[in-house]
Amino acid sequence: GENVEQHPSTLSVQEGDSAVIKCTYSDSASNYFPWYKQELGKRPQLIIDIRSNVGEKKDQRIAVTLNKTAKHFSLHITETQPEDSAVYFCAASGNTPLVFGKGTRLSVIA
Amino acid sequence: DAGVIQSPRHEVTEMGQEVTLRCKLISGHNSLFWYRQTMMRGLELLIYFNNNVPIDDSGMPEDRFSAKMPNASFSTLKIQPSEPRDSAVYFCASSLAADNQPQHFGDGTRLSIL
Repeated sequence: GENVEQHPSTLSVQEGDSAVIKCTYSDSASNYFPWYKQELGKRPQLIIDIRSNVGEKKDQRIAVTLNKTAKHFSLHITETQPEDSAVYFCAASGNTPLVFGKGTRLSVIA
Repeated sequence: DAGVIQSPRHEVTEMGQEVTLRCKLISGHNSLFWYRQTMMRGLELLIYFNNNVPIDDSGMPEDRFSAKMPNASFSTLKIQPSEPRDSAVYFCASSLAADNQPQHFGDGTRLSIL
């Protein structure tokens, strides 16, 4: 079955800097890759997703890139702000439901 | 549009008691997922349904846990008898299909077993 590895587990950045979170997956049949943000005490919320027919997708300060050959995808947050502090989860799906990574705790220091 | 609705938001009960968690799917969604989240184990998929049928319950910890979907829009997760180690946040999520679709999470039930 699918296995998703996520790195790093924790990340601290200065406000205004960029943050990058990376994930790898094992199942070459996977073709849908969403990212979720979970603030403390709240539910995971979808922030951006990408399908395998696209290599990159942007939405304001966040972007996701996908390398199907290498089986990895990344989340990029530019000009980080304190409200970006949260746990971020990547996930992958192909012939199975979403398989989630273990999460990255991002702290943006003002 | 109403999102996924879970109840109760918080539940505190004594060990040995039966606990029932409830979830209402987003209208038009065909798949339902139950997750458990703890600091130690992260986000674990317990069971999922597609078109009201349980597809994979391999994540259910033991026989004390059961889940049902009596109709297309509603699901319950029951723990009987409950134990302190069941304390966690339980989320349900729904999606248009079981795979290749975003899942939309409810606000969760924070369960504490004393």
